[in-house]
Formats: sequence, structure tokens, C-alpha cells
Amino acid sequence: EVQLVESGGGSVQPGGSLRLSCVASGFTFSTYAMHWVRQAPGKGLEYVSAISSNGVTTYYATSVKGRFTISRDNSKNTLYLQMGSLRAEDMAVYYCAREIGDYYDSSVDYWGQGTLVTVSS
Amino acid sequence: SSELTQDPAVSVALGQTVRITCQGDSLRNYYASWYQQKPGQAPVLVVYHKNNRPSGIPDRFSGSSSGNTASLTITGAQAEDEADYYCYSRDSSGNHVFGTGTKVTVL
Repeated sequence: EVQLVESGGGSVQPGGSLRLSCVASGFTFSTYAMHWVRQAPGKGLEYVSAISSNGVTTYYATSVKGRFTISRDNSKNTLYLQMGSLRAEDMAVYYCAREIGDYYDSSVDYWGQGTLVTVSS
Repeated sequence: SSELTQDPAVSVALGQTVRITCQGDSLRNYYASWYQQKPGQAPVLVVYHKNNRPSGIPDRFSGSSSGNTASLTITGAQAEDEADYYCYSRDSSGNHVFGTGTKVTVL
């Protein structure tokens, strides 16, 4: 059974940092690209970042570029999101998700349960 | 702002058919996938790769695409289909992007 379990969320002050983790199980983690997606309270889904299966290629939404860093440790089946210079608008539930398909036809087929990040002074 | 536009809300009578659309110029080059999200839950993939359904998704969910519009159709809507639905694809720069979301109410 595919499982994605996020952790690391919590409350942080504006300008602070936080590192999210997502532990994967039930599939060969090293062969899948992975995504982070977030959802602010009462709002829609927002793509945050993605990383290739080998970790070499990374992608970021404009809203987080330069502040967030996605990475992975395939030996630990773990995906990370290092978040810095946090702003009020970064407050959201953060989901990790597994990508399937190719460049022109990609989807995310499994999602974690999400971890809440609160940014407040 | 999202480059994939969806109607904010649609309603459908129980057992009837509803189509949810996702519009964007990038959809001429990229396929869209569709996600269902119920309150307090993580999204669930319902349609991908033109018109494929993951295991466990009822066949009343189907996808299609024409020009700059991707569509998700629910044929014979059930009460449990009441949820928010999002499309997901790429924008004109090739970045991943979600649609604005559609709230489906089953009457």
C-alpha cells in the first residue's frame, strides 16, 4: 500500500524557517518524481514545488522561488521542503504527492494527509 | 493567479449529469488531470491521462478535452460526489498549475 506521511508543520513567526518531511512507503520511491502542494485556509490548491526522481532537477512556483528548497534522500525514502523567509501568505496545509506520467501528461496519484504550517506573530 | 479557469460552482440533481470545465491556452499542449476534494480531506485523483480512472474510482467519472478546454463529466451524480474539483496541468511556461476549483453541489 502506497503511503505518504508528512511531518514538520507547526507555528512559526514571519521571517522564520521550517523544514517539512514526507516519508514514503509501499513503492520504489527513487523512481518517482514528487511534488509539494499547499492549500491555504478556505482556498484552492496551489502547486509549490517538484523534484525529479534522482533529485537533480527541481521546480518552484514563482511565489516560493528563492525562499523554499525541495530535496530528497532516496536512501531514506524521504522528501523534504525547506521553507525560509516565511510570510503570512505561506500559511497552509502542505501536502506531498507522487507524480506519474510524463512532461506533457503528468498527474499526482497519491497524496499524504497534509501538515499544517501556521505563520503568525 | 491561475492560468486554468474553472467555474466557481455548479449544481446537479441527484442522478443527473454534470460537466466541469477547465479552460486555458496551455491545454492545447498539455493534458489535464482531475482531483476531488472533500472537506478536511486530501485531494483524490479521479481522472488522468485523457480519460483513465485510478482503481476504485467509479466509471461515472470521465474526462475529455477539446482545444483549450478540459472537461470532467459525472454521469449519474451521487450524493457522495458533492465536493470541490480541481484540474491540474501546466501553464504556458511549463510550470505545474491547478485550476481555480469548482464546488459541486448535488441537489
